[in-house]
Amino acid sequence: AQSVAQPEDQVNVAEGNPLTVKCTYSVSGNPYLFWYVQYPNRGLQFLLKYITGDNLVKGSYGFEAEFNKSQTSFHLKKPSALVSDSALYFCAVRPLLDSNYQLIWGAGTKLIIKP
Amino acid sequence: DTAVSQTPKYLVTQMGNDKSIKCEQNLGHDTMYWYKQDSKKFLKIMFSYNNKELIINETVPNRFSPKSPDKAHLNLHINSLELGDSAVYFCASSQERQGNEKLFFGSGTQLSVL
Repeated sequence: AQSVAQPEDQVNVAEGNPLTVKCTYSVSGNPYLFWYVQYPNRGLQFLLKYITGDNLVKGSYGFEAEFNKSQTSFHLKKPSALVSDSALYFCAVRPLLDSNYQLIWGAGTKLIIKP
Repeated sequence: DTAVSQTPKYLVTQMGNDKSIKCEQNLGHDTMYWYKQDSKKFLKIMFSYNNKELIINETVPNRFSPKSPDKAHLNLHINSLELGDSAVYFCASSQERQGNEKLFFGSGTQLSVL
């Protein structure tokens, strides 16, 4: 079965430190890869996506993500965390072989940035 | 203007009632979705419509019925509400389906069934 794993329910980082939120996937063929962020009591917002090309993708709010094909991972990173980055982060994958273009979602990782 | 708006934001109701959630997008998108987010924040696709045509209908009780009067609107009607229906329901939209388009989400409707 195709799946997306976000192995950490919660990640705690001190403000100013680099952060990483992990995502690995298991799908048939090459996928499109996405990160979304959900602030409290809000809908999800698109952060970035990987389609093809450079493995390092830059997105909103200073976030970036690195696609690693051999490890089937797409970890979200930021060099210096802000308290305002505290939110719920979702990784999502769309297998190219899926004609319905269905997204497969991870379970989410709660990111807490402490001052 | 809010790109994807859904109403109401909060919905508290008794078991057995019938309720509707409305969703409208002003982005000119062709595709709209309903997602359910449970208490553990897990996201599950329920339905997807493309140009008013149903294209994804996941394993959802037939008490849930989406209706798309035009491509800017996708409403969700729920009959005979049950306790397990309590969740946050998100509407979303995207441009034509090529696989790499991003989703735009509404702010959610928190449904509480008592």
